[in-house]
Amino acid sequence: QQQVKQSPQSLIVQKGGISIINCAYENTAFDYFPWYQQFPGKGPALLIAIRPDVSEKKEGRFTISFNKSAKQFSLHIMDSQPGDSATYFCAASNPDSWGKLQFGAGTQVVVTP
Amino acid sequence: ETGVTQSPTHLIKTRGQQVTLRCSSQSGHNTVSWYQQALGQGPQFIFQYYREEKNGRGNFPPRFSGLQFPNYSSELNVNALELDDSALYLCASSRSGSANYGYTFGSGTRLTVV
Repeated sequence: QQQVKQSPQSLIVQKGGISIINCAYENTAFDYFPWYQQFPGKGPALLIAIRPDVSEKKEGRFTISFNKSAKQFSLHIMDSQPGDSATYFCAASNPDSWGKLQFGAGTQVVVTP
Repeated sequence: ETGVTQSPTHLIKTRGQQVTLRCSSQSGHNTVSWYQQALGQGPQFIFQYYREEKNGRGNFPPRFSGLQFPNYSSELNVNALELDDSALYLCASSRSGSANYGYTFGSGTRLTVV
């Protein structure tokens, strides 16, 4: 079963707009929540990550919001640019699973000029 | 500092054949994980090697096997290929056995089984 559920499946946003991608999880043992960005023909690249003791983390135009009680976290892309057009994956891991990351199904983001 | 390199980039195999995919980890990384990414899906964990020992395995059948070499490079072997094995196979390396240090992914090997 999918342990991390991601929505929406796809997203179209105008240049300068805000892209919001949401993820939900069930396993309360998860303690690390990264977001990856993937361009066609490339592997995923780590964008930003958060731990559950923090409610928000910002790096440049990218912000993660984390709601531990709701078991949800989201990625906000501010001032979206055409170069941000990619597929974004949320993921989660727990300390007992060593290197196993549970990925969401991905969100394809298209930023129109 | 070189990143993670995978070879080959593309591969076409016939059902029932065997395939070996290769991965060179990033300099300074001692852990390699393999993921399978079907079209339009998120990557699925196959297994991980930490200092040449396998320390984690996902829900994949035994015909998926691998190893890690003393230089921390790695191979993924798949026997008795099935059509559903067609996917992008990703290798990721990290500085320790935990995902919490952040993975560096390679660009993957696109395997097509016909």
